[in-house]
Amino acid sequence: GNSVTQMEGPVTLSEEAFLTINCTYTATGYPSLFWYVQYPGEGLQLLLKATKADDKGSNKGFEATYRKETTSFHLEKGSVQVSDSAVYFCALSLNTGNQFYFGTGTSLTVIP
Amino acid sequence: DVKVTQSSRYLVKRTGEKVFLECVQDMDHENMFWYRQDPGLGLRLIYFSYDVKMKEKGDIPEGYSVSREKKERFSLILESASTNQTSMYLCASRGTGATNEKLFFGSGTQLSVL
Repeated sequence: GNSVTQMEGPVTLSEEAFLTINCTYTATGYPSLFWYVQYPGEGLQLLLKATKADDKGSNKGFEATYRKETTSFHLEKGSVQVSDSAVYFCALSLNTGNQFYFGTGTSLTVIP
Repeated sequence: DVKVTQSSRYLVKRTGEKVFLECVQDMDHENMFWYRQDPGLGLRLIYFSYDVKMKEKGDIPEGYSVSREKKERFSLILESASTNQTSMYLCASRGTGATNEKLFFGSGTQLSVL
């Protein structure tokens, strides 16, 4: 089947610390991979995506590389800010069909 | 920018009531989705629709129904609300084709069933 597993939170970091949130997937076809972010009181919004193996998605200082050999799409940021405090969701979508498969979300709190 | 609007931000209902959650998108998207979000469980798909009057069950359709009479509007219906349907409900839409993979979400409706 298709599924996404991401590291459990919550994660608490000091400002300017390095962030990694792990995400691995299982897919029956060739998925596109996504990271969505949910700020407090809001819906989810796309942070970055990668559509094929070895692609790197990046946005707002965040990066993730599509690793087919390890079926992973880990999210990284070199220096987090207080404004990055949010819940982060890893997701996959297959080229066929309409469904997205989401991980359970990882809550990040950045303290000054 | 695409806008997905959910009619209520907070809703409080009583057990047994019929509840309507409304969602409207303004980008002529074919596909619309209803998810519920619960702590520790992430997002779970309830129903989705790929065209007017078309619907498909997601992972947890029990206790819910949907209506899509117009392309821009997708309604989630709780026929007889129960306390275990207390949750955050998120509507989303997307277009079709390789350039339309992105899901656009509404701000969510926090439903409490007492």
